[in-house]
Amino acid sequence: DTGVSQNPRHKITKRGQNVTFRCDPISEHNRLYWYRQTLGQGPEFLTYFQNEAQLEKSRLLSDRFSAERPKGSFSTLEIQRTEQGDSAMYLCASSLRDTDQPQHFGDGTRLSIL
Amino acid sequence: GQQVMQIPQYQHVQEGEDFTTYCNSSTTLSNIQWYKQRPGGHPVFLIQLVKSGEVKKQKRLTFQFGEAKKNSSLHITATQTTDVGTYFCAGVYNFNKFYFGSGTKLNVKP
Repeated sequence: DTGVSQNPRHKITKRGQNVTFRCDPISEHNRLYWYRQTLGQGPEFLTYFQNEAQLEKSRLLSDRFSAERPKGSFSTLEIQRTEQGDSAMYLCASSLRDTDQPQHFGDGTRLSIL
Repeated sequence: GQQVMQIPQYQHVQEGEDFTTYCNSSTTLSNIQWYKQRPGGHPVFLIQLVKSGEVKKQKRLTFQFGEAKKNSSLHITATQTTDVGTYFCAGVYNFNKFYFGSGTKLNVKP
């Protein structure tokens, strides 16, 4: 078990630029979640995948955000035309199929918008 | 919409004192999970509660799920400095969506 891996660990970019983050889940996990966490808050659900299918998206996820999991393994989260308010820690978690399984989190990607 | 409220936001205790954090949902939960996040770290799963009125123990930690499956608590007996961190509950709705509380940050003074 190598754990959930996220890249990059840190991303600094100018407002208006596009950014893409990658998440590699634990290999046998078919559920993959994306969360956003700001200082002093709990992880905020963005979206999740069951294998390659994106089953749920938060209403908070604007059309500037898109996530993919093309082969049911790794996933990418892209933010287009970044804004100051996008600055946060983006966490990825994976689990076995059911919601009664624990989620295993990666170390996250910290995004800073200049 | 679904929301999980968690209190208190912060708790400072002397080592050896007890600690409790509470989570409350306005609607019935399918199940609830608890996580701990150390400073600079990521959330780590502690436990899951599924049944109405369920109580589970892990050494000095006691977790409870309310009869109506709308609230939950985590109680730590005789805190230690290793308990420092932020404790989050994550409510699950319709076996589908996770909503994390805002967390309780625990500081333990030796």
